[in-house]
Amino acid sequence: QQPVQSPQAVILREGEDAVINCSSSKALYSVHWYRQKHGEAPVFLMILLKGGEQKGHEKISASFNEKKQQSSLYLTASQLSYSGTYFCGTEEQGAQKLVFGQGTRLTINP
Amino acid sequence: KAGVTQTPRYLIKTRGQQVTLSCSPISGHRSVSWYQQTPGQGLQFLFEYFSETQRNKGNFPGRFSGRQFSNSRSEMNVSTLELGDSALYLCASSYSGGAYEQYFGPGTRLTVT
Repeated sequence: QQPVQSPQAVILREGEDAVINCSSSKALYSVHWYRQKHGEAPVFLMILLKGGEQKGHEKISASFNEKKQQSSLYLTASQLSYSGTYFCGTEEQGAQKLVFGQGTRLTINP
Repeated sequence: KAGVTQTPRYLIKTRGQQVTLSCSPISGHRSVSWYQQTPGQGLQFLFEYFSETQRNKGNFPGRFSGRQFSNSRSEMNVSTLELGDSALYLCASSYSGGAYEQYFGPGTRLTVT
């Protein structure tokens, strides 16, 4: 079942903070976050695993509430380069596959 | 290291035809997943292959099929194309699937007329 992302779209000024949420009705093992810029492929941002382990490559942060099956991605002091569509992908225990949310379009203006 | 490559990048086909798309994963990655991306449906999981075996399958009709070779390269095939199959088809490679990060290729833009 597809996770639900909120908000669907957000517009910020450079330097402002953003929070993107991802919620599932299934018990999750991991949550992945990706960013896709227009005309490009999605790029990996972060994985959050059940049990608290977090793996990422960029200076962003995220949380995973295992009890509520919710994850949030935090973008602080946003830069113009943060613009794009953010997808969360959820993996159920043992599923070995990701199911992606509909995406959140983030626009950063100067 | 080299990224994920997909060929062809663009394709125009006619209804009823079939098409084969190719994906070469990052060296050392054994898992390849395929996704269909459309404006209305977002990223939809098609199937995942690991060590030449289909390990997972999404909710797509049997017209969509795939395979993986011993060098981890993967192909997907769509038979009897329909207008609704027009989409960006993305493949993603991963060391082992699941809780490992996925690296996406640039995609193949398929247009069915």
